[in-house]
Amino acid sequence: EDQVTQSPEALRLQEGESSSLNCSYTVSGLRGLFWYRQDPGKGPEFLFTLYSAGEEKEKERLKATLTKKESFLHITAPKPEDSATYLCAVTSAGGGNKLTFGTGTQLKVEL
Amino acid sequence: GEEVAQTPKHLVRGEGQKAKLYCAPIKGHSYVFWYQQVLKNEFKFLISFQNENVFDETGMPKERFSAKCLPNSPCSLEIQATKLEDSAVYFCASSQPERDRFFGPGTRLTVL
Repeated sequence: EDQVTQSPEALRLQEGESSSLNCSYTVSGLRGLFWYRQDPGKGPEFLFTLYSAGEEKEKERLKATLTKKESFLHITAPKPEDSATYLCAVTSAGGGNKLTFGTGTQLKVEL
Repeated sequence: GEEVAQTPKHLVRGEGQKAKLYCAPIKGHSYVFWYQQVLKNEFKFLISFQNENVFDETGMPKERFSAKCLPNSPCSLEIQATKLEDSAVYFCASSQPERDRFFGPGTRLTVL
């Protein structure tokens, strides 16, 4: 069974203080690793999909990287509007095409 | 459309009543997925469709839950005889094969 673990559970940063969120996974044949942002009362907002180790993708202050065991979401010089829960999910050869989610990292960026 | 649409936004039902939720996937997306978010960040997969065909229903509680995706109609998720533990936010997502997956805003179901 696919497993996804995210750390830390919660993270508090000062504005401009860069950091990284971790997503480690155990799957039978990774097909894709997905990052989402979820604001309270909203649906998950798509950020990135990574397909193979070594792949990197960037969007504004966010950069996602992937190895054979884990993915990192790097946040550079965060702003208060980056405060949200960041979710990681995987699809695998053994799991059909469903997403298996981690429990998320709740990020708060303060002025 | 360019976004996944879900209706209604909120649904309140008495225990034992029926609930029906709707999802319109992004135009051109052939896959539709339903997820249940019970606790804050716990997503449970329910069912997926490839066009109007069930692709994977391993997460569906089959006794009371059913779902359909018919041509030229929104997809639907129906719960017969709702129970208190069905209270959750139900999300629909859509994608093209092996591509980025986009979620709707969800339907919050409250069973009293």
